[in-house]
Amino acid sequence: KQEVTQIPAALSVPEGENLVLNCSFTDSAIYNLQWFRQDPGKGLTSLLLIQSSQREQTSGRLNASLDKSSGRSTLYIAASQPGDSATYLCAVYSSASKIIFGSGTRLSIRP
Amino acid sequence: NAGVTQTPKFRVLKTGQSMTLLCAQDMNHEYMYWYRQDPGMGLRLIHYSVGEGTTAKGEVPDGYNVSRLKKQNFLLGLESAAPSQTSVYFCASSPDPYEQYFGPGTRLTVT
Repeated sequence: KQEVTQIPAALSVPEGENLVLNCSFTDSAIYNLQWFRQDPGKGLTSLLLIQSSQREQTSGRLNASLDKSSGRSTLYIAASQPGDSATYLCAVYSSASKIIFGSGTRLSIRP
Repeated sequence: NAGVTQTPKFRVLKTGQSMTLLCAQDMNHEYMYWYRQDPGMGLRLIHYSVGEGTTAKGEVPDGYNVSRLKKQNFLLGLESAAPSQTSVYFCASSPDPYEQYFGPGTRLTVT
């Protein structure tokens, strides 16, 4: 059974720092992995989608990597800003109905 | 282009009452999903649809029914609400099974 873990559950860093969020999964037979951002009381906004054949994806200050063999994905945020404060979730797609979300990392950027 | 919309945004029900949540998407997506999000439990799939006229059970389908009579709409019904169904409900749609776009959510309280 696929399990998705995000550690740490919460993270607080000063503005300007580069940081890495982690997503681990137990079954390497995945199709895609998607990173989302969720602001309090809001829906999920897609940040990056990595297909199983890809190693990484980049969008602005965000870079997501995928290592299927080790069951890991990382989301790298460069030069963090207070506006980056949110909960970040990863979702692993194993099939059309097997979409497993991590519990998220709550990120706080201190001005 | 509104993306994915959900109606209503908030609702309070008494135990035993029924209601229907509406999800609409204007992106011509084949796949649609209903999730619930609870503290400490993350996002869990309730039901999903792979096309107009089709529905299938997800991880936590008990107590819910769905219908997809039109491609752009996916309805989630609660026939007899219970306090355990207090949650935030999210709808998502996707052009294929491996990337999702989320609505803003419906906050439901059952007393």
